[in-house]
Amino acid sequence: RKEVEQDPGPFNVPEGATVAFNCTYSNSASQSFFWYRQDCRKEPKLLMSVYSSGNEDGRFTAQLNRASQYISLLIRDSKLSDSATYLCVVAMDSSYKLIFGSGTRLLVRP
Amino acid sequence: AAGVIQSPRHLIKEKRETATLKCYPIPRHDTVYWYQQGPGQDPQFLISFYEKMQSDKGSIPDRFSAQQFSDYHSELNMSSLELGDSALYFCASSAGQLVSGYTFGSGTRLTVV
Repeated sequence: RKEVEQDPGPFNVPEGATVAFNCTYSNSASQSFFWYRQDCRKEPKLLMSVYSSGNEDGRFTAQLNRASQYISLLIRDSKLSDSATYLCVVAMDSSYKLIFGSGTRLLVRP
Repeated sequence: AAGVIQSPRHLIKEKRETATLKCYPIPRHDTVYWYQQGPGQDPQFLISFYEKMQSDKGSIPDRFSAQQFSDYHSELNMSSLELGDSALYFCASSAGQLVSGYTFGSGTRLTVV
């Protein structure tokens, strides 16, 4: 079983739609949580960190539920440029490596 | 702004050959991380260095070795290459060992034929 599990998708949505991605992690010692975006054949880029209180950055909202070991990402008013793979990432303070989920692919159509 | 520079961008090698990938971190970043991403896979952590010392080790094969030099650049040496080593190899750097401060390079695409 992978340490970080995601629905691989793809999610195919029209422009303007709201889409939500979910992620679960297995190691309760995980301390840091992120969503990364990866375009085809490109490097992962940090989209946002995820905090226990939940956080928002423009059209993007991230939530963390430590009790359920569950992370979510909500994208509102989807744009064509949001089409990418979204990677759920966790890390432990005792180690500085990032543990990636397999990613959820999003396709936003006109 | 300067980013993480990786070279070469693309590399084609034959089985059993050796390859060397290079990573130049962002100036004043002292920590370097190497990740391997196979086709359709998520990035997997290989190894990291902090202040020129190995700081963590992941699923790096014994055929691979890496080091960080005095100017903080890092090299990943891969010997006895196998077809399964074909992947994107990403380097990331950070100032100190901060998981929140990662910046990834554009990667080296290694193809083993």
